[in-house]
Amino acid sequence: DIQMTQSPSSLSASVGDRVTITCRASQSINTYLNWYQQKPGKVPNLLIYEASSLQSGVPSRFSGSGSGTDFTLTISSLQPEDFAAYYCQQSYTTPWTFGQGTKVEIK
Amino acid sequence: EVQLLDSGGGLAQPGGSLRLSCAASGFTFSNIAMSWVRQAPGKGLEWVSVISASSHTTSYADSVKGRFTISRDNSRNTLFLQMNSLRAEDTAIYYCAKCTGQGWKYYFDYWGQGTLVTVSS
Repeated sequence: DIQMTQSPSSLSASVGDRVTITCRASQSINTYLNWYQQKPGKVPNLLIYEASSLQSGVPSRFSGSGSGTDFTLTISSLQPEDFAAYYCQQSYTTPWTFGQGTKVEIK
Repeated sequence: EVQLLDSGGGLAQPGGSLRLSCAASGFTFSNIAMSWVRQAPGKGLEWVSVISASSHTTSYADSVKGRFTISRDNSRNTLFLQMNSLRAEDTAIYYCAKCTGQGWKYYFDYWGQGTLVTVSS
């Protein structure tokens, strides 16, 4: 199975900050990497698919990059509604696997 | 509008069974692969299973293989997950998810609201 490792596991940031979350795959997954946001008590929401494509309706302050084994989710200017958990997911091969999550908290 | 309505969760004893359902609307269900994803209390997301649009192909996480069976009824726009030999570690919120992407390299663009499964004596 492909292991997905996110870092950091949590971070504290202020409104307006630039935030970067990384995701590393245990083997190359090309660009088959997706990002989800989950607010407390809510359903996960797709943000970025195939490493860098912005899902319809997602604000442009979210962006993704990377290929192979190393990927990044960037929030260019953190907004109050962005405080949540973020998960990466590889869709290269089953079993599809998620990272352990990164919790973004208010500083 | 795409809607996925999960149901069937509840309390089950270790070794018991439950059958989850997911009623879909707002898209052509019979053309779309579907998955189940679960989340244990306070934990991260874990993919469980996927079924192709025609039911011809299925796949499972190792943690549920041989115990869970995914199926679908395209005439009723409904996805199922039959869960047998339940264990305490199966306790989680179970989400059905609509698959999208190409060539079995799917991600999940719509999710159900989730149904809670608790396995306890």
